[in-house]
Amino acid sequence: GAVVSQHPSRVICKSGTSVKIECRSLDFQATTMFWYRQFPKKSLMLMATSNEGSKATYEQGVEKDKFLINHASLTLSTLTVTSAHPEDSSFYICSARIQGGETQYFGPGTRLLVL
Amino acid sequence: EDQVTQSPEALRLQEGESSSLNCSYTVSGLRGLFWYRQDPGKGPEFLFTLYSAGEEKEKERLKATLTKKESFLHITAPKPEDSATYLCAVQAGGAQKLVFGQGTRLTINP
Repeated sequence: GAVVSQHPSRVICKSGTSVKIECRSLDFQATTMFWYRQFPKKSLMLMATSNEGSKATYEQGVEKDKFLINHASLTLSTLTVTSAHPEDSSFYICSARIQGGETQYFGPGTRLLVL
Repeated sequence: EDQVTQSPEALRLQEGESSSLNCSYTVSGLRGLFWYRQDPGKGPEFLFTLYSAGEEKEKERLKATLTKKESFLHITAPKPEDSATYLCAVQAGGAQKLVFGQGTRLTINP
C-alpha cells in the first residue's frame, strides 16, 4: 500500500519550453502533497506544499511563477516548470501524505535535463 | 530553528558487520521522526515513523530507536543489498513539512 507514481521518469527538453510532471497517489487519498528538488549527493530540498483545492505554499527562494503547482484532486498534483533553463535541470521528487496521517510517501522521481 | 544532523556522512561495513547510524535533532515539539532509505536515482522509501522517546520499531535487519535528542538506526548483520543512503527527517508540531538531515551513505562490502 501507499504507492506514489510520477510521470515522466525522465524528460529532456530545450531551453525555453515548459515541462509538466505528474504525481499520483495510486491507492490512497492525499490531501497534502509535497514537491522536492534534489541535487547530486545532496539531501532533499522542499520546494512547495500543495493542499488539495487550494494554492500551494512555496518555500523561501522558490519562484512560484516558474514552478507552477496544481493539486486538483485528492490523488493528483502537477508541477510545471515554465520556460525551463539549464539551471533547472535536476531530480524532482513528489511525496503524498495519507489523509489524516503523518507519514509522507515518495514517488520514484523525475530526472529533468534542459538543453 | 528545527535542525537534523546525521552521522556519519558515509559508512563502509563488511557483510555481517553490525553498526548504528545516528540522527540528532532539535525541534520545537516533535510530532514525528521518520527514517527513509534512498537508492541512487530513486525516490526515498519509507522505513519507520517514531513518535515518542523510548519507542522502537524493527523491520528485518533494521531497528530504529528514539530518545528526546536523537534517533539511532541499528543495522544487524547487514547484506550488500542494504547499501543505500539512509535519510532521517523530523516533523515539528503544527508544521506540515519535514526537515531532512543530509543522510548517511552506507556501503556493505561482500
